[in-house]
Amino acid sequence: RKEVEQDPGPFNVPEGATVAFNCTYSNSASQSFFWYRQDCRKEPKLLMSVYSSGNEDGRFTAQLNRASQYISLLIRDSKLSDSATYLCVVNRAGNQFYFGTGTSLTVIP
Amino acid sequence: DAGITQSPRHKVTETGTPVTLRCHQTENHRYMYWYRQDPGHGLRLIHYSYGVKDTDKGEVSDGYSVSRSKTEDFLLTLESATSSQTSVYFCAISESVSGGYQETQYFGPGTRLLVL
Repeated sequence: RKEVEQDPGPFNVPEGATVAFNCTYSNSASQSFFWYRQDCRKEPKLLMSVYSSGNEDGRFTAQLNRASQYISLLIRDSKLSDSATYLCVVNRAGNQFYFGTGTSLTVIP
Repeated sequence: DAGITQSPRHKVTETGTPVTLRCHQTENHRYMYWYRQDPGHGLRLIHYSYGVKDTDKGEVSDGYSVSRSKTEDFLLTLESATSSQTSVYFCAISESVSGGYQETQYFGPGTRLLVL
């Protein structure tokens, strides 16, 4: 079983829509959780960390459910510039990071 | 911006030749990583380093070696390149997020390698 699993999509949504991505991780010892954004032919960039209590950054909301080993990312009021691939990342211990294969989002005018 | 550069950014080489990719960082980070990214596989760890001359293998280390003789440079060598090593290679560093216990990674711009 993969350490981190994501629905690859693609998700095609109209501007202004709300879209949610889910991610599951297999190891209950995982400690830190992140969402990264990757644009075509670019490097992944940190979008936000995910905290146990849930956290919000503008139009983006991240949630963590440790009992179900599940992470989510909600994007409200989608913009064209949100089109990218979103990577779920889990840090198990120290500096070992595990990446999902990414979920592709296209926001349509 | 974590001050990470990679060179070369693009390379075409032939099967059987050695290839060295360089990652350079300017902010004295202790941990450095090499990943490859392929469709359907996501990012996979090749090797990482936790200090000068301190390295360890990742998930897909076969056919690759690394060296770190200075804090700022982490080199990845393909000893005898094969077509299966055609990929995009990313270097990364890790640091704490907002000074807290969590650590996250920042990536260099990547090197696109084509092995013919």
